Amino acid sequence: EVQLVQSGAEVKKPGESLKISCKASGYTFSSDWIGWVRQMPGKGLEWMGFIWPGDSDTRYSPSFQGQVTISADKSITTAYVQWSSLKASDTAMYYCARPIMVREGVVSIFYWGQGTLVTVSS
Amino acid sequence: QSALTQPPSASGSPGQSVTISCTGTSSDVGGYNYVSWYQQHPGKAPKLMIYDVNKRPSGVPDRFSGSKSGNTASLTVSGLQAEDEADYYCSSYAGSNNLGVFGGGTKLTVL
Repeated sequence: EVQLVQSGAEVKKPGESLKISCKASGYTFSSDWIGWVRQMPGKGLEWMGFIWPGDSDTRYSPSFQGQVTISADKSITTAYVQWSSLKASDTAMYYCARPIMVREGVVSIFYWGQGTLVTVSS
Repeated sequence: QSALTQPPSASGSPGQSVTISCTGTSSDVGGYNYVSWYQQHPGKAPKLMIYDVNKRPSGVPDRFSGSKSGNTASLTVSGLQAEDEADYYCSSYAGSNNLGVFGGGTKLTVL
């Protein structure tokens, strides 16, 4: 059974750094894309980016390029997204997702994590 | 502003059918048969209900169906039930090296 289990909720101050995680199991982690979707409070879903853990090939949505860093550790089948300097506008729910991709474009997502709520407030 | 256009709300009474539209362009919805629909209940992760325009993942009731005509995709929920009340999002493949696009979401209310 495929499972994506995310780290717990975080409360941070503007300017702080953060790294949240997604532990994957039930499939060959190195041989499939995994990544992140943002949902701001009361808003819709947004693709952030995805990584192929086998070679660390990473694709970002233009809106998130340079704003976050997506990474993965094959040895512990875990994906991450990190911020070097959080802003209040980073307050959102972040979902880990295992997409079906065609030529590095997302087709659909069968598997989702439970979500990690990140709150950035002074 | 979302790349795909969905009505903000839709509603129907139990047992009725409701259809939610999702309008894009020839570069996404109209260009590929890769439209997906997700259901999201409050406080929960999204759940895939339809993929590849009209296919249902295992476990999704056949009350849910998808279709596409030109640049507009549609999700139809037949025999509405109380548990169908949720937000619904469409998404579309938008070509190689493009992560794709989402609709802004439709809140479905079961009256």
